[in-house]
Amino acid sequence: DGGITQSPKYLFRKEGQNVTLSCEQNLNHDAMYWYRQDPGQGLRLIYYSQIVNDFQKGDIAEGYSVSREKKESFPLTVTSAQKNPTAFYLCASSTRDRGINQPQHFGDGTRLSIL
Amino acid sequence: GEDVEQSLFLSVREGDSSVINCTYTDSSSTYLYWYKQEPGAGLQLLTYIFSNMDMKQDQRLTVLLNKKDKHLSLRIADTQTGDSAIYFCAESPPGTYKYIFGTGTRLKVLA
Repeated sequence: DGGITQSPKYLFRKEGQNVTLSCEQNLNHDAMYWYRQDPGQGLRLIYYSQIVNDFQKGDIAEGYSVSREKKESFPLTVTSAQKNPTAFYLCASSTRDRGINQPQHFGDGTRLSIL
Repeated sequence: GEDVEQSLFLSVREGDSSVINCTYTDSSSTYLYWYKQEPGAGLQLLTYIFSNMDMKQDQRLTVLLNKKDKHLSLRIADTQTGDSAIYFCAESPPGTYKYIFGTGTRLKVLA
């Protein structure tokens, strides 16, 4: 079955440490996204990528970095510069049909906590 | 601004209908979406409506779109306890790869 796989499901970060969240899709989608969700809040866009080897900052990119070396993969690194990283992180992908964005598909999320 | 607005909470009794409302921002958005999020999980696409439609029905779900008022609603008929979740509406304005999500409506179904 096609879908998006995020790993790990739970992740703990020590002070001053960088951690990387994995996101893999086999839907053959061009675009991929990372969102952050805080308790009781909606989704905030961290980074997105329209195509391989290209990505753009979202609304809250500070303290995060991404890469897009393969179509299937869009890992997110939470750096030590992100002072409040505790949140639920969601990866999504989508495609376009005749220039119109089709619905996004989401992974099951990674919950990141500070040790 | 880019704010999609939803009420935060809704409580209904099992078997009743639920109506979740959303006000979106960009009248040129081609598709409008409804997602469901269960605790600790990602977002699951429930349904979506093309902007040239007024209504779309899919089993227990009915979506109504009022383009003039930029108002979208999701009606769930015969609401069950398994429908308890957070429901997000979203839009995707043309000319951008971005999707804009509401803050979510937490639906609680009382047995």
